[in-house]
Amino acid sequence: DTEVTQTPKHLVMGMTNKKSLKCEQHMGHRAMYWYKQKAKKPPELMFVYSYEKLSINESVPSRFSPECPNSSLLNLHLHALQPEDSALYLCASSPSSGSDNEQFFGPGTRLTVL
Amino acid sequence: GENVEQHPSTLSVQEGDSAVIKCTYSDSASNYFPWYKQELGKRPQLIIDIRSNVGEKKDQRIAVTLNKTAKHFSLHITETQPEDSAVYFCAAREVNTGFQKLVFGTGTRLLVSP
Repeated sequence: DTEVTQTPKHLVMGMTNKKSLKCEQHMGHRAMYWYKQKAKKPPELMFVYSYEKLSINESVPSRFSPECPNSSLLNLHLHALQPEDSALYLCASSPSSGSDNEQFFGPGTRLTVL
Repeated sequence: GENVEQHPSTLSVQEGDSAVIKCTYSDSASNYFPWYKQELGKRPQLIIDIRSNVGEKKDQRIAVTLNKTAKHFSLHITETQPEDSAVYFCAAREVNTGFQKLVFGTGTRLLVSP
């Protein structure tokens, strides 16, 4: 399996809802990433996990809470989001986080916050 | 931290022509420069990358050049085809974190007309 998968593909939520985005890879990669991408903009790094430990948090608001239950799974828990958080959320993985390897992106979850 | 600039923002060519996209980076310590292609509604996909110990790399119709002194790198696509139409992002790895943090350029929308 050489793909990163993400669920759901689309998500619409209200500002008081709690939801979770899920990401999975079975390539044995030990680094996983969350990116946020607004329309016509580049991906912006949110979090980096290396060997299931949070290694980088790019000053992301606490309404976004990442979790890495094991080496294959990455979650992003969402709570009390704002309309400006509407975006495409991309997960990526790479063999490791300390060297120059390709980052493989998932298809993304398109999030709309009402 | 690293800052990456990318030009042009849009590029229209006729099928069969060449296309060149240019990026500059600010951190002379950066040592890994991937290029990603993102088709409309799809995930970013790596098309070519280059490391700082190499000046040029080619893969069929795609080539990347790196000038470390000037801190710029370029993507060259020859014999363009309509299926090359997409948004292209350059990126540079920010090294001071010890983790693979990619900083992306703002993107170039390439349109290849038949």
